[in-house]
Amino acid sequence: QQQVKQSPQSLIVQKGGISIINCAYENTAFDYFPWYQQFPGKGPALLIAIRPDVSEKKEGRFTISFNKSAKQFSLHIMDSQPGDSATYFCAASPSIAYSGAGSYQLTFGKGTKLSVIP
Amino acid sequence: DAGVIQSPRHEVTEMGQEVTLRCKPISGHNSLFWYRQTMMRGLELLIYFNNNVPIDDSGMPEDRFSAKMPNASFSTLKIQPSEPRDSAVYFCASSPPKGLAGAYEQYFGPGTRLTVT
Repeated sequence: QQQVKQSPQSLIVQKGGISIINCAYENTAFDYFPWYQQFPGKGPALLIAIRPDVSEKKEGRFTISFNKSAKQFSLHIMDSQPGDSATYFCAASPSIAYSGAGSYQLTFGKGTKLSVIP
Repeated sequence: DAGVIQSPRHEVTEMGQEVTLRCKPISGHNSLFWYRQTMMRGLELLIYFNNNVPIDDSGMPEDRFSAKMPNASFSTLKIQPSEPRDSAVYFCASSPPKGLAGAYEQYFGPGTRLTVT
């Protein structure tokens, strides 16, 4: 299975600071890159996603930056809050042209546990 | 609107026992995924179904694991016999048909925390 490598494994940020999580992928067929957020005791939920036709996507305090040539993408959380404390997963999926029969299969990174301290 | 429903939420069993995890996907979704989450290995895709048909089961760890989807609204993941190394949180997720809004998104259930002693 094609990998998506995520770093760091854990991150501690002061309230109001910027949290940055990085991911790198190998499969050039990937063209959908979501980030999922998981709170303790809950399942992951989609936070924000990007396609490679843009280099950046912003939704509120959350921004994805995408570098197609480097095959890297990152999540930036501005003005980090204690309520942002969660595990964040990057993921990637190929387009319909490559995914074959069935569904859009996501390949997940191993996750980053973010702790925002007051 | 109900999300993905999983049961039980917690399961504690002894080594060698059979364990059955259940999932009800979101109505109208035609793809269903079973994941296992551990600290060491993160989120691992075990198997996924499309239109009730298993498409990729390459992530199923061994023959002790089996999954079924008898209809569009129900799936089971069975472990027989269970072993302590199967202890993990098992998630079920579903997604809408291709071409519909949200088709790329997977909607996760709350998970089943399995402990095998």
